[in-house]
Amino acid sequence: GENVEQHPSTLSVQEGDSAVIKCTYSDSASNYFPWYKQELGKGPQLIIDIRSNVGEKKDQRIAVTLNKTAKHFSLHITETQPEDSAVYFCAGWYNNNDMRFGAGTRLTVKP
Amino acid sequence: DVKVTQSSRYLVKRTGEKVFLECVQDMDHENMFWYRQDPGLGLRLIYFSYDVKMKEKGDIPEGYSVSREKKERFSLILESASTNQTSMYLCASSPGMERPLHFGNGTRLTVT
Repeated sequence: GENVEQHPSTLSVQEGDSAVIKCTYSDSASNYFPWYKQELGKGPQLIIDIRSNVGEKKDQRIAVTLNKTAKHFSLHITETQPEDSAVYFCAGWYNNNDMRFGAGTRLTVKP
Repeated sequence: DVKVTQSSRYLVKRTGEKVFLECVQDMDHENMFWYRQDPGLGLRLIYFSYDVKMKEKGDIPEGYSVSREKKERFSLILESASTNQTSMYLCASSPGMERPLHFGNGTRLTVT
């Protein structure tokens, strides 16, 4: 089926530590995997994405890695700050022209 | 910046009412989507549209319909609202397949 599974559902880290969120996707996913951040009262916003022709992409403190063989991709946030606290969603684009989302991870960064 | 505007932030409706949720995007995007967001369930796709007057069912279309008469506008219709449709509704658009989605800020609907 067309499914994206995300773990963990909640994650609490100390300010300055790293946070890692993992997602797996099913066979029929295509080649594009974005990550979204949702702050309270707002819609999800794209923070980083990766295409299947690369294994890793970085943008300052945020990185995404993709393992095509294992069909999983991960979000890495280094040197976490309280403003990183939010709900994070992974997603995958499926061949019938729609995007499917993981269930979300609530990240809390403690000062 | 792409702007996706949902007409209402909060709505309260009664059981059995017909409800219209409106969404407008300003970037001439081909694709538009309606998702429902519930705690622990993430974002679930209700309907999407890849062109004017075209629509496709998502995972949970029951009790909903959509309308896309113009490229920039995608409406979600609850034919007869029920309490289990109390939720956050998110509209999004994208320029095409394998491209980022741009979301509105959501409409929180309460059906009493």
